[in-house]
Amino acid sequence: GAGVSQSPSNKVTEKGKDVELRCDPISGHTALYWYRQSLGQGLEFLIYFQGNSAPDKSGLPSDRFSAERTGGSVSTLTIQRTQQEDSAVYLCASSLLTYSEQFFGPGTRLTVL
Amino acid sequence: GQQVMQIPQYQHVQEGEDFTTYCNSSTTLSNIQWYKQRPGGHPVFLIQLVKSGEVKKQKRLTFQFGEAKKNSSLHITATQTTDVGTYFCAGPPTLTGGGNKLTFGTGTQLKVEL
Repeated sequence: GAGVSQSPSNKVTEKGKDVELRCDPISGHTALYWYRQSLGQGLEFLIYFQGNSAPDKSGLPSDRFSAERTGGSVSTLTIQRTQQEDSAVYLCASSLLTYSEQFFGPGTRLTVL
Repeated sequence: GQQVMQIPQYQHVQEGEDFTTYCNSSTTLSNIQWYKQRPGGHPVFLIQLVKSGEVKKQKRLTFQFGEAKKNSSLHITATQTTDVGTYFCAGPPTLTGGGNKLTFGTGTQLKVEL
């Protein structure tokens, strides 16, 4: 595709369940970021992948959050034992190089009941 | 770690008034990027500045990168309702000790009233 895609677009889950969010970056982009955005708030950095380097996980809020990027392309963000405070929009972005412009996906709106 | 703050956090203006948002980084930046996020949308890249003191214009929008490469501003002349949204600056630090990823500012939410 031409842009960054994310799935699902909406996810409603019950507290305590695990969820997986998927991001398909633009082909050839080496950098991939995950952000979390609560309503009316800024972008909270979660994790960053750059090529084959070890990911920067410094933004993950707890050990319930993890992410992987397979083959330098698709990325999955996993949240285990979801809590209500995990409810937010999760945005993925990719860029050609580390410092170049980021292209954002449409986001996944997660609601934890 | 690197921190990027923006002021103001919110701004309400009447259509036709000017608007400015300021971006300040705790570390020197290798470049500064600006993004716009419309309500309900995702951030969209507007522009990148690289050189110290650089000024770029896009129609009614004027972007500046500070001489010390630690601050930037976005000025909108004669705002329109289409300017509504949140404006974010973002920049990577020049020193690897500050991390090597792009860090987003806290954002300025602009509302334009008729």
